[in-house]
Amino acid sequence: DTAVSQTPKYLVTQMGNDKSIKCEQNLGHDTMYWYKQDSKKFLKIMFSYNNKELIINETVPNRFSPKSPDKAHLNLHINSLELGDSAVYFCASSQVVVRALDTIYFGEGSWLTVV
Amino acid sequence: RKEVEQDPGPFNVPEGATVAFNCTYSNSASQSFFWYRQDCRKEPKLLMSVYSSGNEDGRFTAQLNRASQYISLLIRDSKLSDSATYLCVVNEGGFKTIFGAGTRLFVKA
Repeated sequence: DTAVSQTPKYLVTQMGNDKSIKCEQNLGHDTMYWYKQDSKKFLKIMFSYNNKELIINETVPNRFSPKSPDKAHLNLHINSLELGDSAVYFCASSQVVVRALDTIYFGEGSWLTVV
Repeated sequence: RKEVEQDPGPFNVPEGATVAFNCTYSNSASQSFFWYRQDCRKEPKLLMSVYSSGNEDGRFTAQLNRASQYISLLIRDSKLSDSATYLCVVNEGGFKTIFGAGTRLFVKA
């Protein structure tokens, strides 16, 4: 059983298209995240949701819109894709306790290539 | 100054060697500290948490110096399977977690 699963794993699309990446976790965690890892391998947080509410939005362009229908799901929709959006997008989850942090569990990543 | 800085590497070491990675963080109010490991084309996974008194897990030893805002990871008796990128991770309280850019390690036979 995969704890954090995201689909699709690979996505090649043209500039200007709209695409979505889906994520689900079966760990019962309250908090979910989207991270972006670019070609320089730097892992940067994009969004964080706690119990379906957005709590972190790290200056991500409006073209990126997360949606959390319930606390086990956090999907990422990207409008008008640009070449610079090419990266690996990791979904993750954790059970955050105030003043501490449980382990962050990552999905396998979605490799997005914009051509 | 970056929030979390690490030696970029790569570190190339022979099997059996001891290797140490360093990490500094900028926010003195940071709460929790971790080392994650990321294999090529894989997701990051927790290697170990870092406690104030220092802690050990087999061949791996982590140290924290809050006064200097410095974290380290020591790997003894390196194995080929230790080849990976090691990410220093700092939680600033609650939901904000910062990942360092990672240090690449290559262990050679």
